[in-house]
Amino acid sequence: NAGVTQTPKFQVLKTGQSMTLQCAQDMNHEYMSWYRQDPGMGLRLIHYSVGAGITDQGEVPNGYNVSRSTTEDFPLRLLSAAPSQTSVYFCASSYLRASGTGELFFGEGSRLTVL
Amino acid sequence: SQQGEEDPQALSIQEGENATMNCSYKTSINNLQWYRQNSGRGLVHLILIRSNEREKHSGRLRVTLDTSKKSSSLLITASRAADTASYFCATDPGTYKYIFGTGTRLKVLA
Repeated sequence: NAGVTQTPKFQVLKTGQSMTLQCAQDMNHEYMSWYRQDPGMGLRLIHYSVGAGITDQGEVPNGYNVSRSTTEDFPLRLLSAAPSQTSVYFCASSYLRASGTGELFFGEGSRLTVL
Repeated sequence: SQQGEEDPQALSIQEGENATMNCSYKTSINNLQWYRQNSGRGLVHLILIRSNEREKHSGRLRVTLDTSKKSSSLLITASRAADTASYFCATDPGTYKYIFGTGTRLKVLA
């Protein structure tokens, strides 16, 4: 049981390049989400999904796209990388109940540097 | 920003002592959760307390919640060197948009 798997672990981009951060979970969780973590800022929600075909914006969505074609996968796309997107990115998933989500299961993170 | 705040930002204690960290938040919530993050790793869930609960225990962890003050505290008793990590609170306002605090860096000295 792998849990939440993120790839790549490290990436260096040049300004203007595009890339996709991959996230996969094998727990059949309906809820998946992407966060960025910056020093002194905690985690901030970028986008989230409550099921295949359903996505919505979080607190800091600009410059990022997501899609959810399957329950297992939730890729995050950077359209035109900027130095301000240098950060550590975390994917997290959870089950959904009538009372909302439960505990979040996190991947190990993807460290992105934009030059 | 909707981010919650935690204090202290950093805490250094001796092994065997208790560690207390506090979290304040801004919106009404369904539940509040605490997470631990070891350096360079992902976050790990510690405990969840629902909005209608006031206190919860799990092993050496004790969490309290005061919804009237929009605050929570996490107490780690009899701390160990392995407890050295950053601790984050996260609130679920019922919109699927978790809000994380800024974290407390705990260092337990052996």
